[in-house]
Amino acid sequence: GNSVTQMEGPVTLSEEAFLTINCTYTATGYPSLFWYVQYPGEGLQLLLKATKADDKGSNKGFEATYRKETTSFHLEKGSVQVSDSAVYFCALTALNYGGSQGNLIFGKGTKLSVKP
Amino acid sequence: ETGVTQTPRHLVMGMTNKKSLKCEQHLGHNAMYWYKQSAKKPLELMFVYNFKEQTENNSVPSRFSPECPNSSHLFLHLHTLQPEDSALYLCASSQVESKRGMALHFGNGTRLTVT
Repeated sequence: GNSVTQMEGPVTLSEEAFLTINCTYTATGYPSLFWYVQYPGEGLQLLLKATKADDKGSNKGFEATYRKETTSFHLEKGSVQVSDSAVYFCALTALNYGGSQGNLIFGKGTKLSVKP
Repeated sequence: ETGVTQTPRHLVMGMTNKKSLKCEQHLGHNAMYWYKQSAKKPLELMFVYNFKEQTENNSVPSRFSPECPNSSHLFLHLHTLQPEDSALYLCASSQVESKRGMALHFGNGTRLTVT
């Protein structure tokens, strides 16, 4: 079956540090991959996505590259800010036999705290 | 403004109460979802509605009853809940199409506490 595994948190960094949050997946076929972010007291927001191998999604200084050979979609940011403190979720969808997109499958989330 | 509005933001209810959660999306999407988010657990998909028809019910207890009167509105009716049902309930919407990269748009959730 399809699944997503992401690194356990919490992750605590100082401002301007480099961030990596690991995400690996198991899926049949060719899934689309996503990173969502949840700020305190809010719902989830799409951060970035990639729909095929070697695609790089990017937004707000965050990047993730769809690596089919390692089944990974690690999230990176070169210099984090206090405002990046949130919970980050890796997720995937895979196409159904009928060609429609299946439901999102989420990882457990990684809490990031950035200290000034 | 997220495009998906959930009310109320917070709800405290006793185990014998009946209450409803409401979700409205202003994005013109044709699918809506209920998720449950509990501490230290992955997001759990509860119900999916495509074009107002329920297409998924992930073994959710009958004390949770969804209703989707049109493609913009979604309700979750609650009755005789248990304390372990306390969680953040998130509504989401999307445009379902045979194309990759469909993203969900989430509301800010209703924080439910069952006493």
